[in-house]
Amino acid sequence: EAQVTQNPRYLITVTGKKLTVTCSQNMNHEYMSWYRQDPGLGLRQIYYSMNVEVTDKGDVPEGYKVSRKEKRNFPLILESPSPNQTSLYFCASSQGQGPSTEAFFGQGTRLTVV
Amino acid sequence: GESVGLHLPTLSVQEGDNSIINCAYSNSASDYFIWYKQESGKGPQFIIDIRSNMDKRQGQRVTVLLNKTVKHLSLQIAATQPGDSAVYFCAEISGGSYIPTFGRGTSLIVHP
Repeated sequence: EAQVTQNPRYLITVTGKKLTVTCSQNMNHEYMSWYRQDPGLGLRQIYYSMNVEVTDKGDVPEGYKVSRKEKRNFPLILESPSPNQTSLYFCASSQGQGPSTEAFFGQGTRLTVV
Repeated sequence: GESVGLHLPTLSVQEGDNSIINCAYSNSASDYFIWYKQESGKGPQFIIDIRSNMDKRQGQRVTVLLNKTVKHLSLQIAATQPGDSAVYFCAEISGGSYIPTFGRGTSLIVHP
């Protein structure tokens, strides 16, 4: 089954404790991206990657890092989480070099930073 | 998740009615538009897309209309069903950009 898998689904952590949210897709997609979703603000892109070892900032990259060492994986790293990073996070992938094709989203990771 | 629907415009319809969900986009240079459906507790799901060289595109029970003059996009759902209850939002992408801009969304509630 074609899917994007994120882990964990729920995470509560404390300010400053480094964490990683994993994302994996099994569709051999080149384009992957991370979004955060906040009430009243909609989805905002954090980072995207057009291919292995190619990443770039989205609209709200501050406080986040990503890596793309393999085509299928695109982890999101919070080196020093803060409460304003409490949000619902989604990973997505799509065929081709950009988002201008059907995107598949993961189930989401609800992060709470206290 | 459940918090996604807060603070959103809401459209309530009866099962079997047609639904029209609207979206105003911001960038006149956007050349690709997508509608997504997000059910409670799930990630967004692609519904239908349209490029700026078109003004209408039809899918299964859904139709997207694009009016570039007034920068307006609409999603029409025929014979709405309870399973269509979700938050719907549009996204726009400008040519050469890799960063889509998403609308805030509309919550559709279908009453049996």
